[in-house]
Amino acid sequence: DQQVKQNSPSLSVQEGRISILNCDYTNSMFDYFLWYKKYPAEGPTFLISISSIKDKNEDGRFTVFLNKSAKHLSLHIVPSQPGDSAVYFCAAKKSEYGNKLVFGAGTILRVKS
Amino acid sequence: DAGVIQSPRHEVTEMGQEVTLRCKPISGHDYLFWYRQTMMRGLELLIYFNNNVPIDDSGMPEDRFSAKMPNASFSTLKIQPSEPRDSAVYFCASSFIGGPQHFGDGTRLSIL
Repeated sequence: DQQVKQNSPSLSVQEGRISILNCDYTNSMFDYFLWYKKYPAEGPTFLISISSIKDKNEDGRFTVFLNKSAKHLSLHIVPSQPGDSAVYFCAAKKSEYGNKLVFGAGTILRVKS
Repeated sequence: DAGVIQSPRHEVTEMGQEVTLRCKPISGHDYLFWYRQTMMRGLELLIYFNNNVPIDDSGMPEDRFSAKMPNASFSTLKIQPSEPRDSAVYFCASSFIGGPQHFGDGTRLSIL
């Protein structure tokens, strides 16, 4: 039972353009969402997060949007850079259950120069 | 500022052998997590600790797997006996309550 789904295994984008990575979840109890980036042979690195009381959070080139009614969130990267090429994981949690995260399967982003 | 430190980075061993993976969390973090990443199942949580106490071990696949956290700065994940299907990358992560998890660079385990 996949509670967090990233339906696009990969995405290819031209340098300078926008990258949009999508994530869907099924558990309406989730109240906090995170995005992680992972390079080969390294651990996932925290990128940006959003609470369910918000619908948008921005940090530099990265913006996360949350649509609670659709149980959908997305990560926008503008402008995309070759160094953004990595695997991106969406994760979710129910705060009452402490810090336990449920991860999606990941999306491979390739930014072409 | 040291991050989460895992050792060894790579482990190759024969099936039936005992494997011990080690993790040093970030100082001051009160949560510690063990994950396994495979192509088939992605990143799955095995067990997590709060203040050195195991809270949820529902992800531990079998009795062959065990994890301990004897103090706030050290944890081990042990597999005994190991099997080829245990081959994966194992990650350790730590966090403050309510904060994002910080991951180590993982241990790539190959069981022959």
